[in-house]
Amino acid sequence: EVQLVESGGGLVQPGRSLRLSCAASGFTFDDYAMHWVRQAPGKGLEWVSGISWNSGSIGYADSVKGRFTISRDNAKNSLYLQMNSLRAEDTALYYCAKGEMATILSYFQHWGQGTLVTVSS
Amino acid sequence: DIQMTQSPSSLSASVGDRVTITCQASQDISNYLNWYQQKPGKAPKLLIYDASNLETGVPSRFSGSGSGTDFTFTISSLQPEDIATYYCQQYDNLPHTFGQGTKLEIK
Repeated sequence: EVQLVESGGGLVQPGRSLRLSCAASGFTFDDYAMHWVRQAPGKGLEWVSGISWNSGSIGYADSVKGRFTISRDNAKNSLYLQMNSLRAEDTALYYCAKGEMATILSYFQHWGQGTLVTVSS
Repeated sequence: DIQMTQSPSSLSASVGDRVTITCQASQDISNYLNWYQQKPGKAPKLLIYDASNLETGVPSRFSGSGSGTDFTFTISSLQPEDIATYYCQQYDNLPHTFGQGTKLEIK
């Protein structure tokens, strides 16, 4: 069974940093692209970033480009999101999602339960 | 970026009704269109991929159709457990983009 467990969320002041993690199990991690998708309170879904199986292809939403960095450690079956220069509008539930294939242009076949990031002074 | 316009934004229907949601892309996305269901307090769940393919384990009352810019999602006979918000999503080009969602309620 595919399991994705996010961690690292919390309350952080504007301008500070936070690192999210996603622990994956139940599938061959390095065969698939991985993504971060967020949902602000009461709002819709927004793709944040994706990374291909070998980290060779990475993409970001314009809203986070230059501030967020996605990475993965295939040896540890883990996905990460380093979030710098956080803003109030980054407040959201952050989901880790498994792609359906190795490249980042794929649908999101499995989702974690999310980790909440709140940016506030 | 490709804009995804979903309609309606909310919908009230009775158990047993046929329900249809539409999604329009701002440019041709071939069949790179997916549908997700999100129940309150839960993570989204993939229902339909590549416009018309039913994900494994998803009931057959759910279906999708379309290609190019116009897509349709249908529930053939609404069940109480289908109360959720539904999203379309394109993956023809980065960034992946979602429709704004359709909140489905029971009348």
